[in-house]
Amino acid sequence: GQQLNQNPQSMFIQEGEDVSMNCTSSSIFNTWLWYKQDPGEGPVLLIALYKAGELTSNGRLTAQFGITRKDSFLNISASIPSDVGIYFCAGQLGQGAQKLVFGQGTRLTINP
Amino acid sequence: SAVISQKPSRDICQRGTSLTIQCQVDSQVTMMFWYRQQPGQSLTLIATANQGSEATYESGFVIDKFPISRPNLTFSTLTVSNMSPEDSSIYLCSAQYGGNQPQHFGDGTRLSIL
Repeated sequence: GQQLNQNPQSMFIQEGEDVSMNCTSSSIFNTWLWYKQDPGEGPVLLIALYKAGELTSNGRLTAQFGITRKDSFLNISASIPSDVGIYFCAGQLGQGAQKLVFGQGTRLTINP
Repeated sequence: SAVISQKPSRDICQRGTSLTIQCQVDSQVTMMFWYRQQPGQSLTLIATANQGSEATYESGFVIDKFPISRPNLTFSTLTVSNMSPEDSSIYLCSAQYGGNQPQHFGDGTRLSIL
């Protein structure tokens, strides 16, 4: 079945640093999504990408849909304490196949 | 923004019993889904809840263990049947508001089986 490889699995950074994480797949996806999950809550959508090559920003977050449709990355600039959490990428085939395939998650810890 | 409410938010159950989880969406949605998130793990799709027909289950999940109902376009239930400690997980409902819209998630139901 389809699998997403998300890296890194965990990050320990200083407040103010930039963060970069990525997802790769052996399969093509037509939609890439990035979610953040805080303890005790469900995943919250950060960015949705629908076109190969698309670069989209949401505040300090920037994500790109890879040209090959098999990868995506998420960058966070100037990290702040509330950025702590687990970040998940998810791929969706679309066009009637709406199921999401999730990456393993990147756990972000920030030292003040 | 999407409002997806799940009940209960958490429960502790005895093995061999069953629990029904409810998911209510604030407006009509085209698709609803149920996911499982085992401790420290990512999300895995259990099934797609189809309005007015039987749910579509993913490999490894069966209707007898996880019966699903979706009586209308805003509500769905997932039952975890004959529970064992291995069923201890977070169960999450998601909804998709349109064909090209992303999925939004409820806060999940944290289930522990003793």
